[in-house]
Amino acid sequence: DAGVIQSPRHEVTEMGQEVTLRCKPISGHDYLFWYRQTMMRGLELLIYFNNNVPIDDSGMPEDRFSAKMPNASFSTLKIQPSEPRDSAVYFCASSFARGGADEQYFGPGTRLTVT
Amino acid sequence: AQSVTQPDIHITVSEGASLELRCNYSYGATPYLFWYVQSPGQGLQLLLKYFSGDTLVQGIKGFEAEFKRSQSSFNLRKPSVHWSDAAEYFCAVGAPNAGNMLTFGGGTRLMVKP
Repeated sequence: DAGVIQSPRHEVTEMGQEVTLRCKPISGHDYLFWYRQTMMRGLELLIYFNNNVPIDDSGMPEDRFSAKMPNASFSTLKIQPSEPRDSAVYFCASSFARGGADEQYFGPGTRLTVT
Repeated sequence: AQSVTQPDIHITVSEGASLELRCNYSYGATPYLFWYVQSPGQGLQLLLKYFSGDTLVQGIKGFEAEFKRSQSSFNLRKPSVHWSDAAEYFCAVGAPNAGNMLTFGGGTRLMVKP
């Protein structure tokens, strides 16, 4: 398996622009997680899905952020409009439920820079 | 709700020296425990995990961790550090009733002196 795939790997955009980050989880995994990592705040869980349904989005910073999972093999995280404080590395992770918490497999991340 | 504390933000050790990274968790029952490593510019990679059974678990790259219920700890150890071990290390805890959600600690950045 190719692992969790994220695109793009790097994104530079201007303040006010829309940004869309993409994630393809490992085939057969039924949980998908979006995280944000910054020096100041560390690793933060933004939202997670189970069987394509959002379960907990309490970590989403504000209404400018939205996430979707239209099918089991694809998810997007959208920021509209983007702001410089959104600059961070965004990770997608997936896992397979086996009756309890289990290992999450992380993608390589998308480094977002908003100028 | 569960929580994780990694008391050491930075640790520097000499190559060949032993290493212990601390992790303390808060959870009412036996948690699921994980250690991940993140090399610069990379995603997180699982080193080892504990679900039940033997409290000393072996992982990849020569790492091990010991679950101590009485101390609510899950410290990571390696007998001899290599320069390539320089990275950031994250401890995480999961709960059986929390789906597959993990709570991560703040991380410990390991630097290795030649």
